[in-house]
Amino acid sequence: KAGVTQTPRYLIKTRGQQVTLSCSPISGHRSVSWYQQTPGQGLQFLFEYFSETQRNKGNFPGRFSGRQFSNSRSEMNVSTLELGDSALYLCASSLPAGGPSTGELFFGEGSRLTVL
Amino acid sequence: AQSVSQHNHHVILSEAASLELGCNYSYGGTVNLFWYVQYPGQHLQLLLKYFSGDPLVKGIKGFEAEFIKSKFSFNLRKPSVQWSDTAEYFCAVKRALTGGGNKLTFGTGTQLKVEL
Repeated sequence: KAGVTQTPRYLIKTRGQQVTLSCSPISGHRSVSWYQQTPGQGLQFLFEYFSETQRNKGNFPGRFSGRQFSNSRSEMNVSTLELGDSALYLCASSLPAGGPSTGELFFGEGSRLTVL
Repeated sequence: AQSVSQHNHHVILSEAASLELGCNYSYGGTVNLFWYVQYPGQHLQLLLKYFSGDPLVKGIKGFEAEFIKSKFSFNLRKPSVQWSDTAEYFCAVKRALTGGGNKLTFGTGTQLKVEL
């Protein structure tokens, strides 16, 4: 069973640019979450999508947005990049909450964004 | 808003030493609790979880964690660590809400290094 696939793995942008990151979940997983990981801050929740609908949203500015497609693949976009956006962006897929697999997230390897 | 505190940011142990990593959370309602682990060069993966029942839960690779509701704690333990346990460990909390999705709040992580 293929794991969570994130592309691109590494990218370098300059301030003011925008970036789109992609995530393909595990087959059968309809829930996709995004997290920002930085040293000292740990993982900060960005948003969660389920069946193309945003279910939860973290405390990030509106420059951060996401969407989910009918095949459960998800993208996140960051516009007007700032230096502080440099981080590892992790995508995680999961089965719907409410069952025994609640909270069990399957993470991808992440997309490492560097903003210069 | 709920938060998760991991007081030990870096821990260095010798092989066969006992391990206890602290985790405290701030939320007065019912929670689901998790420990995730990230081995060097690998993606984050679930180590163990607690939903209800016996407050002492066992996970993979000999790890266990104890939920103490009165202390809002969920400490991770292992009686005898191995060099292969070198990794970063994250505690996470999810509010046990019906329809609440899979939004997890993570701690900042504890980097464990086990020396031979």
